[in-house]
Amino acid sequence: GENVEQHPSTLSVQEGDSAVIKCTYSDSASNYFPWYKQELGKRPQLIIDIRSNVGEKKDQRIAVTLNKTAKHFSLHITETQPEDSAVYFCAARINTDKLIFGTGTRLQVFP
Amino acid sequence: DADVTQTPRNRITKTGKRIMLECSQTKGHDRMYWYRQDPGLGLRLIYYSFDVKDINKGEISDGYSVSRQAQAKFSLSLESAIPNQTALYFCATSDPLDSYNEQFFGPGTRLTVL
Repeated sequence: GENVEQHPSTLSVQEGDSAVIKCTYSDSASNYFPWYKQELGKRPQLIIDIRSNVGEKKDQRIAVTLNKTAKHFSLHITETQPEDSAVYFCAARINTDKLIFGTGTRLQVFP
Repeated sequence: DADVTQTPRNRITKTGKRIMLECSQTKGHDRMYWYRQDPGLGLRLIYYSFDVKDINKGEISDGYSVSRQAQAKFSLSLESAIPNQTALYFCATSDPLDSYNEQFFGPGTRLTVL
């Protein structure tokens, strides 16, 4: 069935360094790829998304890239700050109605 | 602000008990979803509904049932709870006019089955 793989499961970086989280998807018809951030004890919230007709999108310190041929997409966070510490989920839109989520990456940013 | 709410926020129950988790939303969205979150497994879809008369199974519907009582309300039931249903449960909504299906999550219900 449809699947989204996410790596790494945990990531620790020093404040100011960059962090990269990678996902792969199985359904070549997927056309929408959101990223959600879940802070400890909170609900997941959308932070950025990318559509299949775009290869890259940037919003301040975060960016997403999409390689449709390889069915890969990635989240890049530059100049990380302690408040970036959270669990990040990638997802891919399947058919017209569902999101399939990756298993999550726990990012820790150390001061 | 328009929001998605869930009740209860925490619940401890015993094996074999019936339990209902409720979700309400003031966003005016037609689409509603129930997910469960387990460590290392991400968010997995249990059921979803596109309107009051529409119910669809997700990846892991066994042991669960749902009811869409109104556009704004979507309930998840565990008919006979078992310990491996201990998890964090999230309700979410989306707007069918949003062709890319951005989803808005409720605050979650932490369920423990003893």
